[in-house]
Amino acid sequence: RKEVEQDPGPFNVPEGATVAFNCTYSNSASQSFFWYRQDCRKEPKLLMSVYSSGNEDGRFTAQLNRASQYISLLIRDSKLSDSATYLCVVNYNQGGKLIFGQGTELSVKP
Amino acid sequence: DTGVSQDPRHKITKRGQNVTFRCDPISEHNRLYWYRQTLGQGPEFLTYFQNEAQLEKSRLLSDRFSAERPKGSFSTLEIQRTEQGDSAMYLCASSLDDPLLPTGSNVLTFGAGSRLTVL
Repeated sequence: RKEVEQDPGPFNVPEGATVAFNCTYSNSASQSFFWYRQDCRKEPKLLMSVYSSGNEDGRFTAQLNRASQYISLLIRDSKLSDSATYLCVVNYNQGGKLIFGQGTELSVKP
Repeated sequence: DTGVSQDPRHKITKRGQNVTFRCDPISEHNRLYWYRQTLGQGPEFLTYFQNEAQLEKSRLLSDRFSAERPKGSFSTLEIQRTEQGDSAMYLCASSLDDPLLPTGSNVLTFGAGSRLTVL
């Protein structure tokens, strides 16, 4: 089993749609969780950290389920500019090693 | 520019040659990471440093790969006897590990990457 697994993509959605990405992780000792965004041919950039109680930043909502070792990202009212690859990131075994999932590509169409 | 800098941005080399990449992190960051990324995949962890100490190294990293961070500032990643399978984007990232900050504060800032093509 991979350490961090994400939904296979790509996701093709119309503008204004709501889309959800899922991510599972294998190490129950993990403590830090993040979603990063990567535009084509660019470096990854932090979208949001994921906190135990769940957190929201504008149109983006992240949830953490420790019992199921599952993280989600919900994007409401999708914009064309949301088109990118979304990467789930988890620290491994409480240390500084940060593991990325394979990414889920999102394409928002007019 | 106070971001993460990587050099060179592009490197084309012949199989069997050695290559070295340099990364200059954000100056106040104590952690430095190296990742490798190929098309359609997420960044693959290679190694990371806390100050000058190399704390973890991926089992995927063969003995042809070596990384250093001699003074806890910039880092180099050397690949000896390159193979075509080494062709990838090599990404460096830095972060600030502060035990006084809450969990979830170890945020990575990436450089633009060094793209390696092995012919």
